[in-house]
Amino acid sequence: AQTVTQSQPEMSVQEAETVTLSCTYDTSESDYYLFWYKQPPSRQMILVIRQEAYKQQNATENRFSVNFQKAAKSFSLKISDSQLGDAAMYFCAYRSAGGNTGKLIFGQGTTLQVKP
Amino acid sequence: DSGVTQTPKHLITATGQRVTLRCSPRSGDLSVYWYQQSLDQGLQFLIQYYNGEERAKGNILERFSAQQFPDLHSELNLSSLELGDSALYFCASSPDTWAEAFFGQGTRLTVV
Repeated sequence: AQTVTQSQPEMSVQEAETVTLSCTYDTSESDYYLFWYKQPPSRQMILVIRQEAYKQQNATENRFSVNFQKAAKSFSLKISDSQLGDAAMYFCAYRSAGGNTGKLIFGQGTTLQVKP
Repeated sequence: DSGVTQTPKHLITATGQRVTLRCSPRSGDLSVYWYQQSLDQGLQFLIQYYNGEERAKGNILERFSAQQFPDLHSELNLSSLELGDSALYFCASSPDTWAEAFFGQGTRLTVV
């Protein structure tokens, strides 16, 4: 079974600085997807970024980028130029590319505090 | 707004009771997922329906059941409720199994 681990329960960053959130996963599959979701106080789950395992190039979405290390099974999220609105809980998630379900397996989450 | 609607937003009920949570997927989405977010278990996949049929099942308790109706809305039924069932229950939908799933705002269930 696949597992996702986020070892940092809480992180803080100064506004305008850069922060990196860590995620590791375990799987025997070779093809899969990885995601970072943001959950602000409103509780809404918002997709931040996704990475296909077969792509070597790291995904980037504006100020958000990932460092995908497939051999190490590591998938970290870098937030550049942090803004107050980035304060939220961030979840790393895994999804198989095979099978017939798109269910997500989530890590425990990292709460990010942004200091003004 | 993701386009996925969950009702009610909040629900307070007593132990031993039964409740029904409702999810209306985005227009055209055939796949519906249910997730439970609790303090001790984190975010866990419960069950998935695709076009009315059960597609995948996670660690869903036997006291819980779900279904997807012909109009594609879905209901999650929780019975014999216990204090530990207090959680945020999310519904997500996608056009098919492979596309990105969009989450509703969740139903906050409190069992007292």
